[in-house]
Amino acid sequence: DARVTQTPRHKVTEMGQEVTMRCQPILGHNTVFWYRQTMMQGLELLAYFRNRAPLDDSGMPKDRFSAEMPDATLATLKIQPSEPRDSAVYFCASGPTGDGNQPQHFGDGTRLSIL
Amino acid sequence: LAKTTQPISMDSYEGQEVNITCSHNNIATNDYITWYQQFPSQGPRFIIQGYKTKVTNEVASLFIPADRKSSTLSLPRVSLSDTAVYYCLVGRGGTSGTYKYIFGTGTRLKVLA
Repeated sequence: DARVTQTPRHKVTEMGQEVTMRCQPILGHNTVFWYRQTMMQGLELLAYFRNRAPLDDSGMPKDRFSAEMPDATLATLKIQPSEPRDSAVYFCASGPTGDGNQPQHFGDGTRLSIL
Repeated sequence: LAKTTQPISMDSYEGQEVNITCSHNNIATNDYITWYQQFPSQGPRFIIQGYKTKVTNEVASLFIPADRKSSTLSLPRVSLSDTAVYYCLVGRGGTSGTYKYIFGTGTRLKVLA
């Protein structure tokens, strides 16, 4: 089975540090999503891309978060500077078209702890 | 954007049928309803998707009434391995080909022996 791969699986760092999370979408999928999951807020959509172009990042704090797709096989989510409230599990998902009727395929997440 | 709501938790016994309902009162004409399953330390996994009436696959059924303001995921005969969190997702069509995806709060299903 093709899978979405996320690295690192776990990250612990001190506040103020830059954090970079990486995602390799399923080959051939043209849409990539970034989600954040916390106990309080559940699963929140941060941003998504289609054909490497950002379509919507309204769910993302713009002052410290940035998302990019340098190429079709890599998506990145960066936090700079990081804060304790950013502690969460960050999921990447990919889909064949990004339409509302297409399932998303999720990676197993990056568990981020900001001390 | 519409908020979806689900029961926080449910308990069931092995072999029973489990029905989990999601409310999405403000669902729009072009929205689809998708259900995902999530185990600890894993990402959500697609279960089933529908637009209206009934959809069935090898693991579940999805019932959507005519007004589409709710949907019910039905797991026919649960086993211990079905213990997980189940999410309802409404795919919201937006302008210029963009979409908003709204996950429900999730229902924590515990299957007992």
